[in-house]
Amino acid sequence: EVQLVESGGVVVQPGGSLRISCVASGFNFDTYSMEWVRQAPGKGLEWVSLISWRGLTTYYAESVKGRFTISRDNSKNSLYLQMNSLRTEDTALYYCAKSTHQLSLRSSVDYWGQGTLVTVSS
Amino acid sequence: QSVLTQPPSASGTPGQWVTISCSGSNSNIGTNNVNWYQHLPGTAPKLLIYTNNQRPSGVPDRFSGSKAGTSASLAISGLQSEDEADYYCAAWDDSLNGFVFGIGTKVDVL
Repeated sequence: EVQLVESGGVVVQPGGSLRISCVASGFNFDTYSMEWVRQAPGKGLEWVSLISWRGLTTYYAESVKGRFTISRDNSKNSLYLQMNSLRTEDTALYYCAKSTHQLSLRSSVDYWGQGTLVTVSS
Repeated sequence: QSVLTQPPSASGTPGQWVTISCSGSNSNIGTNNVNWYQHLPGTAPKLLIYTNNQRPSGVPDRFSGSKAGTSASLAISGLQSEDEADYYCAAWDDSLNGFVFGIGTKVDVL
């Protein structure tokens, strides 16, 4: 059974930094691209970032480019999102999601975690 | 304001047919596949349709997707109470070099 478990969400002050994590199980982690998608309170889904199965290719939404860094450790079946220069508008539930197809970029995502809440507030 | 345009709401009575539109441009829907997600508050989003019209295993055939030009649609036939949820279209955008979501359509079953 595919499982994605996010962690690391906390309350952080504007301008601060935070790293959130996602541990995956139930599939060959090192053959799937992974993504982060977020949902701010009362808002819709917003795509944040994508990383290829070996970590060699990454993409970011314009709203986070230059501030967030996606990475993965295939030896630990783990996905990370390093968030710097946090803003109040980054407050959201952050979901980790698995690509539908193996060895594929830009495909849909078929499994999502339950999310970890990041609150940026003074 | 999203790159992909969806109606904010849709509704129907049990058994009815409901369609949700998703309008984009040549840089996203016009050249890339469209995916649809169902999201119930407090739960993880669920993949409903991928690659324009493909259903993952376990998704009822009441749900169908289509794409023509720079627009796509999700159809729900035989609407059921458990279909009350938010529905999002998504596609890769070649200009933005990233995925874009629609604003989401809230479906109410009257």
